[in-house]
Amino acid sequence: AQTVTQSQPEMSVQEAETVTLSCTYDTSESDYYLFWYKQPPSRQMILVIRQEAYKQQNATENRFSVNFQKAAKSFSLKISDSQLGDAAMYFCAYRNSNTGNQFYFGTGTSLTVIP
Amino acid sequence: NAGVTQTPKFQVLKTGQSMTLQCAQDMNHNSMYWYRQDPGMGLRLIYYSASEGTTDKGEVPNGYNVSRLNKREFSLRLESAAPSQTSVYFCASSDRAFNTEAFFGQGTRLTVV
Repeated sequence: AQTVTQSQPEMSVQEAETVTLSCTYDTSESDYYLFWYKQPPSRQMILVIRQEAYKQQNATENRFSVNFQKAAKSFSLKISDSQLGDAAMYFCAYRNSNTGNQFYFGTGTSLTVIP
Repeated sequence: NAGVTQTPKFQVLKTGQSMTLQCAQDMNHNSMYWYRQDPGMGLRLIYYSASEGTTDKGEVPNGYNVSRLNKREFSLRLESAAPSQTSVYFCASSDRAFNTEAFFGQGTRLTVV
């Protein structure tokens, strides 16, 4: 079974600073995708960034970037220049072709941004 | 852009009552999912439907049933609600290709008293 682990239930960051959220996963597959989702207080799940396992280059989306370490099965999310609107729950997720259509989610990290 | 529409947004049930959560997507996705979200436990898969006409159990299916009515709609039924089913429920859909993300509804906060 695939497992996704987020070991930081809560994190905080000063506004304008940088924070890194951790995610590790367990798989025997070689090709898969990883995702980070943001869930603000509105409850809406919003895709932040995705990474294909075959791509060595780390994905970036504006202030959001990932540090993908395939051998270590690690997929951390870095948020630069943190803003008050970044305060949310963040979920890491995994999907591969052999598990069919399932997504596997971590337990989430609650991020607080301190003004 | 409706995306995934989930109803209702809030519901309070008494123990033993039944209800159906409705979900519809307008993105022509093959796959649809029902998750529950509980504090500290992330999103856990209840049931999913890889394509119209098929449904499969996820991690926590007990106490639930689903119906994939057509390609657009995927409903979740609680036959006899229990307090342990108090949770936030999310419907999601995705394209079959594994490089695509899941799109979520806005969630249903269900309280069973």
